[in-house]
Amino acid sequence: AQSVTQLGSHVSVSEGALVLLRCNYSSSVPPYLFWYVQYPNQGLQLLLKYTTGATLVKGINGFEAEFKKSETSFHLTKPSAHMSDAAEYFCAVSSGGGGADGLTFGKGTHLIIQP
Amino acid sequence: DAGVIQSPRHEVTEMGQEVTLRCKPISGHDYLFWYRQTMMRGLELLIYFNNNVPIDDSGMPEDRFSAKMPNASFSTLKIQPSEPRDSAVYFCASSFGSSLGYTYGYTFGSGTRLTVV
Repeated sequence: AQSVTQLGSHVSVSEGALVLLRCNYSSSVPPYLFWYVQYPNQGLQLLLKYTTGATLVKGINGFEAEFKKSETSFHLTKPSAHMSDAAEYFCAVSSGGGGADGLTFGKGTHLIIQP
Repeated sequence: DAGVIQSPRHEVTEMGQEVTLRCKPISGHDYLFWYRQTMMRGLELLIYFNNNVPIDDSGMPEDRFSAKMPNASFSTLKIQPSEPRDSAVYFCASSFGSSLGYTYGYTFGSGTRLTVV
């Protein structure tokens, strides 16, 4: 069975500071990994995903994440936070490896941007 | 492409009533997923279909919940009778799969916010 742990239900950073959202996963098969963002009262928007190949994945809005198999981690980073980044962020792992069995989500991290 | 379309966006109903949520997947996608989001439990997979056939419904909370996919462009999630604890945001997602068992283009709809009073 797959599982995802997101460390910190709330993360607060100053505008312009580094954003680091942590995600660790458990998977019995090579994982597909995803980061989604959810703005208030909206759906889930894909930020980036890792399937195979390059372990550093670049996504939209300046975000990137690095797949580290030895650490079973897929942390999300952004060099400089903007006020518009304030949202809920979800890390997810595919069930069954290829995504065909659906996604298992972490509990989410609420990102707060301080002016 | 209009994306995954869900209706209604908001639904308020009284306890005991039947509720039907609707989803139109992206054309060409052969996988369809229903998720539920609550504060307590986060995002949970309820059921998913492949080529209109239900593959895994182990996430469906109880017999009051049922889902159908009569054709490739339409799916419903029905709750009968509804209860206050069913209040949540329900998301539909679709993707397309390869013969190797991988899926691509995983896309979520905007969700239906259900309130049962």
